[in-house]
Order: sequence, then C-alpha cells, then structure tokens
Amino acid sequence: DVKVTQSSRYLVKRTGEKVFLECVQDMDHENMFWYRQDPGLGLRLIYFSYDVKMKEKGDIPEGYSVSREKKERFSLILESASTNQTSMYLCASSLYSGRGNTIYFGEGSWLTVV
Amino acid sequence: AQSVSQHNHHVILSEAASLELGCNYSYGGTVNLFWYVQYPGQHLQLLLKYFSGDPLVKGIKGFEAEFIKSKFSFNLRKPSVQWSDTAEYFCAVNAKSTGGGNKLTFGTGTQLKVEL
Repeated sequence: DVKVTQSSRYLVKRTGEKVFLECVQDMDHENMFWYRQDPGLGLRLIYFSYDVKMKEKGDIPEGYSVSREKKERFSLILESASTNQTSMYLCASSLYSGRGNTIYFGEGSWLTVV
Repeated sequence: AQSVSQHNHHVILSEAASLELGCNYSYGGTVNLFWYVQYPGQHLQLLLKYFSGDPLVKGIKGFEAEFIKSKFSFNLRKPSVQWSDTAEYFCAVNAKSTGGGNKLTFGTGTQLKVEL
C-alpha cells in the first residue's frame, strides 16, 4: 500500500516561529502537493512539485515556502508563523500512469498558531 | 489560470431524493477529473475519476458523474441518497501547469445533509 506520511499530526506554535511540516511518500511518486483545508474554502493549493528541486506556486503561496531535496520528501515551511495560518495542512502525492493520475493523501497536520 | 467552481455550498435533501452536485472547471487543455467525499471527522475518499473514454463514470456507493466537455462540467449524481451520504463533497481537476507540472486543484466543496 502506498503511504503518505506527515510527521506531525498536531502542532501548536507561537506567532513568529519558523515551522516545518514534513511529508514522506514511499512509492517513488513524481508529484507532491501541499494544501490547507479550511471550513467553507475547501482545499487550497499552496505549492506543488513534479520532481526533485522543482517546485511551483499554487493558489495561496504567500507566507510559505517548500523544499524537495529528495524525491520522497516534500517539506512545507512557514518562515514566520501567523495566526491566520492556523489550519489543517494536507500533503498528497501522485503518480501518472496510462490511466491518468492516482492521488494519495496523508492524514493531515493540524497547526495552531497562538 | 486553472480553477474549479462548485456552485452549491450547502444542500439539504430527504432520504431517497435524487442528488446532483454541480462542478465546472476552467482549463483549455486535457484534464483529469475527480470527485472526493469527506465524511465527518474522516479523511478524503475518492468517489470516482475520469481520465478518458466514456464520459459517464460510475464510482463507489452508487455515485456517478458525467463529463461534458463543451460545458466544462463534471456533475456528480446519485438517484437515491441515504442518510449515510451526509458529508462534504469536493470536485477536483488535474491538468498541466504553466511550469509543466501536474497541478491538482479542488473546488470549495459542497456540504450535503440528508434528513431522515
């Protein structure tokens, strides 16, 4: 079974702290994604990556950065956390095959910024 | 820019009623389309997906969706809903981004409540 693992399920951080959210997948997927999920706003794409060291901005990249030094790992970084970044963060990965993409999600990381 | 619109934010139905949830996307090229469901307190679960071929796609739990290319739509349907279908439903589109990657974009979701 494919696994997408997010290292932290629940975090509480202070305003201004640097926050790292880690995501690891074990199936050699090219594509990885970071979303945040907020009530009434659905899943909003922050950043995505289609290869090592390759990244693209999603729809709401402001206040975030990402790192993909190895194919299996995609990190989301909040350089200076703010209260409006309190949210649930979801990582996903996908593999393109002849039948299109199959997408796998992690369990989510609940971040509270106080 | 690629985007997904779900026009119904909240839907309330009685059991056995028919369901249709709208989904429209904006993207001019080839797309893959998905519907996901999230039950209260649970993770996203894939209902169905469209890649190519027959535009009428059947998924799990009696759901189906029809891809109408000319209307940029991928509406979700179920002939007779059950109380257990109460959940949030998300439409998603996967397409090539300007940078060459695969961009997966979700709609804002539709909250469905099925009453007994």
